[in-house]
Amino acid sequence: SAVISQKPSRDICQRGTSLTIQCQVDSQVTMMFWYRQQPGQSLTLIATANQGSEATYESGFVIDKFPISRPNLTFSTLTVSNMSPEDSSIYLCSVGGLSTEAFFGQGTRLTVV
Amino acid sequence: SQELEQSPQSLIVQEGKNLTINCTSSKTLYGLYWYKQKYGEGLIFLMMLQKGGEEKSHEKITAKLDEKKQQSSLHITASQPSHAGIYLCGADDNQGGKLIFGQGTELSVKP
Repeated sequence: SAVISQKPSRDICQRGTSLTIQCQVDSQVTMMFWYRQQPGQSLTLIATANQGSEATYESGFVIDKFPISRPNLTFSTLTVSNMSPEDSSIYLCSVGGLSTEAFFGQGTRLTVV
Repeated sequence: SQELEQSPQSLIVQEGKNLTINCTSSKTLYGLYWYKQKYGEGLIFLMMLQKGGEEKSHEKITAKLDEKKQQSSLHITASQPSHAGIYLCGADDNQGGKLIFGQGTELSVKP
């Protein structure tokens, strides 16, 4: 199994600012995934981050709002830019899938005021 | 696109009782994942099922995938307050490892 460390675990941010969330995995992985969970909702995929290439974004998510970095095979960051209260959510990174076990970080609980 | 429907949406049981949560897919499942989530926290991996008719157990939790690979159930035997939380099923959409999720089932266990 993979151990995923995500930080910060929670933050309260002012609207208009940006927050960068970090995700560190204890083993090398090809793909990392970033999800959003809005209050009372299930998880929605934001983007897939591959090392050495640009992230692939799902419909409704754009790079300007959610820039992602993937500098190596064990680390990724997601930035939530120009935040508004609607961005208040739990953000989670994940590895695995494709017929293997898929693991998640402990999540970043973001509140925008 | 594939959709997952979970039922029930919420469940309150008395400690010691058994319960079942269902997850139905609109398409054939390539991989079905079960997770538990405590409020405001990350997802704890429970089990992954791939083969039709497959059944896995861990402690008092058993998950099954039907032969047609379109429905899964999660069964908890002799529930305890520690089982309380949100249970999510996720499906591998066979497009690069990303998962789609059901809407979750919120379980409360009364002592």
